Amino acid sequence: AQKITQTQPGMFVQEKEAVTLDCTYDTSDPSYGLFWYKQPSSGEMIFLIYQGSYDQQNATEGRYSLNFQKARKSANLVISASQLGDSAMYFCAMRERSGGGADGLTFGKGTHLIIQP
Amino acid sequence: DAGVIQSPRHEVTEMGQEVTLRCKPISGHNSLFWYRQTMMRGLELLIYFNNNVPIDDSGMPEDRFSAKMPNASFSTLKIQPSEPRDSAVYFCASSPRAGGGGEKLFFGSGTQLSVL
Repeated sequence: AQKITQTQPGMFVQEKEAVTLDCTYDTSDPSYGLFWYKQPSSGEMIFLIYQGSYDQQNATEGRYSLNFQKARKSANLVISASQLGDSAMYFCAMRERSGGGADGLTFGKGTHLIIQP
Repeated sequence: DAGVIQSPRHEVTEMGQEVTLRCKPISGHNSLFWYRQTMMRGLELLIYFNNNVPIDDSGMPEDRFSAKMPNASFSTLKIQPSEPRDSAVYFCASSPRAGGGGEKLFFGSGTQLSVL
């Protein structure tokens, strides 16, 4: 079973509109972290936002917020007032804390977001 | 403040040749990760190191792939012999410490590998 599911392969959004990118996850670990990364056409991986499984409040970073619904195992990324520069691939990822070692991030397949003027 | 440094940025080689990808993690980071990105399979974790020790190499696709971390500031990923299906972007990433679920990964710029 996939640990991270992103159901939107691609999205077209008008500039200045808000965008919600979906992400659901699967884990039996009570302690985990959820991350969103942006990958523009240049290829680099840019960290956007982080949510811990025990965090009571939804994470926010500027125009980015994470809509965390723990019971539904959902961690959607919300981008407010979208800009042309937001056009990129967006990846949801999870890091589980079990085992005591340094586990890597498990990534979803990504959503290709295109902002239209 | 230098980030994760990978070299080369691009590599074009012929099938059967040995390929070595290099990575310098952020100073002070204890964990290092090698990922491969392809259109078909997305981002796959190949191997990760904690304090220079390989912890999990279950993502390494075949014996043709090997990775080393001789010291805290250098790691290599080697493919010998290379095959066209190895063509992908290979990312190196590091994070500050082990066991921290909240620690984000810092990625290098990646190496675009093309095996002809």
